[in-house]
Amino acid sequence: GQSLEQPSEVTAVEGAIVQINCTYQTSGFYGLSWYQQHDGGAPTFLSYNALDGLEETGRFSSFLSRSDSYGYLLLQELQMKDSASYFCAVRDPNYGQNFVFGPGTRLSVLP
Amino acid sequence: DSGVTQTPKHLITATGQRVTLRCSPRSGDLSVYWYQQSLDQGLQFLIQYYNGEERAKGNILERFSAQQFPDLHSELNLSSLELGDSALYFCASSAPGAYGYTFGSGTRLTVV
Repeated sequence: GQSLEQPSEVTAVEGAIVQINCTYQTSGFYGLSWYQQHDGGAPTFLSYNALDGLEETGRFSSFLSRSDSYGYLLLQELQMKDSASYFCAVRDPNYGQNFVFGPGTRLSVLP
Repeated sequence: DSGVTQTPKHLITATGQRVTLRCSPRSGDLSVYWYQQSLDQGLQFLIQYYNGEERAKGNILERFSAQQFPDLHSELNLSSLELGDSALYFCASSAPGAYGYTFGSGTRLTVV
């Protein structure tokens, strides 16, 4: 099966840059995704990396290194509204390629 | 509004009871996924349907079942409910080849 690890909490101030790491162990790799979830809300898809390197989407970027089984989500110019939980997810061939989610990282942005 | 509709938003029921959660996917999406989110287990994949057919099963208990109807809406049936079944149940949908899922706002189930 799949196993993912993320830090449980990260704190940063408005305007700063924060990096949320994700390491994974998989029986087959088909891409790494990131989701954002505000308290009481639904997970929202942010990004997907199938190949090594950095993908940039506005203030958010996602990086993947398949050789290191590692990825990160980079959030720049932090805003208060970025306070949320962030989940990495990988496809699990044992579950028909459906996404298995990491435990999540709670990001708190301070004024 | 993500386009994925889940009803009801909240449900309170007693142990031993049976409930049905409903999900309508985004227009055009053929796949529907059910996930359970609890504090101690995180987001757990339960089951996937594609165009009316069961496609994959995850950590779904035998007391739980689901189906997808010809109009593509899906229902998740939870029976013989236990206190530990209290959780947020999310439905998601995706288009063929899409990289990500679109989640509904969830149903918060409380078993008392």
